[in-house]
Amino acid sequence: ILNVEQSPQSLHVQEGDSTNFTCSFPSSNFYALHWYRWETAKSPEALFVMTLNGDEKKKGRISATLNTKEGYSYLYIKGSQPEDSATYLCAPASGGSYIPTFGRGTSLIVHP
Amino acid sequence: DAGVIQSPRHEVTEMGQEVTLRCKPISGHDYLFWYRQTMMRGLELLIYFNNNVPIDDSGMPEDRFSAKMPNASFSTLKIQPSEPRDSAVYFCASSLDGQGLTEAFFGQGTRLTVV
Repeated sequence: ILNVEQSPQSLHVQEGDSTNFTCSFPSSNFYALHWYRWETAKSPEALFVMTLNGDEKKKGRISATLNTKEGYSYLYIKGSQPEDSATYLCAPASGGSYIPTFGRGTSLIVHP
Repeated sequence: DAGVIQSPRHEVTEMGQEVTLRCKPISGHDYLFWYRQTMMRGLELLIYFNNNVPIDDSGMPEDRFSAKMPNASFSTLKIQPSEPRDSAVYFCASSLDGQGLTEAFFGQGTRLTVV
């Protein structure tokens, strides 16, 4: 089982704050890393699929970076809004497995 | 496409009964995944199929669980007999490829309660 660590486990911020989360994973035999956003009572939806070391992806106020050599990815949210409140999951495929393994997620709550 | 469709959305059953969860993947997707979400383990992969063939079922908790994919547009996850500890939300997802290069699309999930 792939060891995927996400931190922090939960985060409360005020509207307008910028924030970031970390996903750590085994760096050996890396194939890809996914970020998903999971709102309460809904299903996970993909934000980014990242494959290359040094990759940076951006969607609106959300961006992500990838370091495959040291085994981590950061997700950034600029100017958080209440609608950003969700659990953010990372799912790397590495360590010899092509299938992404989900971390436990970071729960973000943005207070108005 | 309507996305990944799961049924039922909610299922309440008594311990010992058979439960069947259903999934229709997105047309053209070659990979289908069954996940279970619990407080203890988060989102864990139970089994996945490639072109209707089960590839890895190492995540299936025990022999009471079985999954089939008789054709490209339908899969089932069966629990027999069900136990209270099987209570969880079960998600089905599909993707174009199984090498992590494309994202998975999730269904709305089936919330199973075994009493």
